Parts: sequence; C-alpha cells; structure tokens
Amino acid sequence: EDKVVQSPLSLVVHEGDTVTLNCSYEVTNFRSLLWYKQEKKAPTFLFMLTSSGIEKKSGRLSSILDKKELFSILNITATQTGDSAVYLCAGGQGGSEKLVFGKGTKLTVNP
Amino acid sequence: DARVTQTPRHKVTEMGQEVTMRCQPILGHNTVFWYRQTMMQGLELLAYFRNRAPLDDSGMPKDRFSAEMPDATLATLKIQPSEPRDSAVYFCASGLVRIAGGLTDTQYFGPGTRLTVL
Repeated sequence: EDKVVQSPLSLVVHEGDTVTLNCSYEVTNFRSLLWYKQEKKAPTFLFMLTSSGIEKKSGRLSSILDKKELFSILNITATQTGDSAVYLCAGGQGGSEKLVFGKGTKLTVNP
Repeated sequence: DARVTQTPRHKVTEMGQEVTMRCQPILGHNTVFWYRQTMMQGLELLAYFRNRAPLDDSGMPKDRFSAEMPDATLATLKIQPSEPRDSAVYFCASGLVRIAGGLTDTQYFGPGTRLTVL
C-alpha cells in the first residue's frame, strides 16, 4: 500500500530559526513529490519535484528530492510567524493523477 | 485570479439527511479531485475525474457517497444518508493533465466545505 510519512509531526521554533521538515515515501511507480502549505484553509502549492538532487527554491523555502533513498526535505530559513502552518507532502503516482498525502508537519513559529 | 470555488463553505445537518457539496474547477482544468480531511486520517482521496469521466472512486464509501460531473464547470459530491462519522472538511481540487498518466500540473485546492453531522 502506498504511503507517505512526514516527520516530525509537530515543531515549535522561534522566529529566525531554520527548520527542516522530512518526508519519506513509498509510492507505486513514483513520478513526483509535492509540498503544500496549509494554514486554516485550503492547502496551497509550494513545490513539485521530479528529479533527484535538484534543489527548488522560493524565497526562504527550498526543497530537494532523493529518489534513491525515497525522501524529500523542505527547508525554511529565517522563519517568521507567518510560516506557522501545517506542511503537507504528497507523492504522485505514475500512470495516474492521484496524490498520496502524508499527515503533515505542524510548524509553529513563535515571536 | 483563477481559483476553485466550493459551496457551501459550512454545513450542519442531522444524521440521515442528504448533503450535496458543489465545486467549480478552474476554467480549463480537465481533472477534478474530491478529498476528505480529518484530524485522524489527514487528507484522503475520495474520487477523481478526468474530462468529466470518473477514473477512480475507490476511496469513497459506495453505499452512501456519490460523485458526478454534470458538466465541465460543476462537480458534485453527495452523501445520503449522512452519518456523524462523515463530519470532516471536504476539499475539491482541480488540475490540468497535459499527457495522460505523464507529467501533471499541480492540484489547486478549493476552500473546502466543513461538514458537521449531528
């Protein structure tokens, strides 16, 4: 059965800290790894990764995929209170449009 | 600013009642997904459609749930009869599949319908 496991489940940091969120996956015929940010509403797209070793960056956020070890990390540098959210990782299956989601990491950034 | 819209945003109903949730995907998107999110289970895929045809509804309790796309601008999810365990947030998402089963654009989520069944 396909699964995506995220760690830690929750994380509390202070503004300015750097955090690393982890995502491991076992997805049939894996095609892509997606990261979403969910505040008190709908998940919003952050990154889609399909190739190993190529870092994607957007401002203070960056992510990389390791297809050999079946994991991805999401880094956030110089965290701000606005980064507080649940971060979801999802694996995309080849041959279909289905995404398998992890349960998320709840990040709390305190001032 | 194209976005997925969902109605209603909140629904409180009593056990046994029918519930209908509606979704308008982003114009031009050819794939629509229905998810359910709970604290315990996280985000679960219920069903999805490509070009209005149902492709997978294996995540859906068949006896009480049904999903349809009457046209390209409307997707519906019905629960009849509803039960307290159906209480959750139901998300619709849409995406554009450029090559069937190949590279897929990301899924864009609607704001969700928060359902409470008493």
